Amino acid sequence: DIQMTQSPSSLSASVGDRVTITCRASQSINNYLNWYQQKPGNAPKLLIYAASSLQSGVPSRFSGSGSGTDFTLTISSLQPEDFATYYCQQSYSTPRSFGQGTNLEIK
Amino acid sequence: QVQLEQSGAEVKKPGASVKVSCKASGYTFTGYYMHWVRQAPGQGLEWMGWINGNNGDTNYAQKFQGRVIMTRDTSNSTAYMEVTRLRSDDTAMYYCARDIRRGSASYIDTWGQGTLVTVSS
Repeated sequence: DIQMTQSPSSLSASVGDRVTITCRASQSINNYLNWYQQKPGNAPKLLIYAASSLQSGVPSRFSGSGSGTDFTLTISSLQPEDFATYYCQQSYSTPRSFGQGTNLEIK
Repeated sequence: QVQLEQSGAEVKKPGASVKVSCKASGYTFTGYYMHWVRQAPGQGLEWMGWINGNNGDTNYAQKFQGRVIMTRDTSNSTAYMEVTRLRSDDTAMYYCARDIRRGSASYIDTWGQGTLVTVSS
């Protein structure tokens, strides 16, 4: 099974900051990496698929990059509605493992 | 629009079974896989498995093999996920979620609202 490790597990930042979250796979997954955002009490929401493709309707301040084993999610200028938990998920093989999540909090 | 409507919250005793339903609308049910993902209170997302909406083939995470059963009813565009021999650590929110294939990419684009299953004596 492929293990997904996110860092950091939690992060404090301010509105307007640029933020980067990292996801590392235990083996190469090419670009089969998705990012989701989850707010308390809600289901997750897709942000980025195939490592760098922005889902329709998602603001352009979100971007993804990487391939192989190392990936990043970047928010270029944090907005109040971006404070949430972020998960990566690999779609290279089953089981479709998720990272443990990164909790982005307001500083 | 695409929607996944899940059944309501359940409270079960240890050792019992629970069956969660997920009714799809707004798309052709048989054209897509359906994932099931769970989230224990305060914890992260855990992939349980998926079912092929067309032929009913399933793929379960090893952790759930033998204890989870995923089925579907194409006449009703509904997917089901049953957990047997419930334990207290099965207490979680259970989500169904539609899989999208775009070229070689695969991702979840739509989630149900979640079904809270509480296991308590």
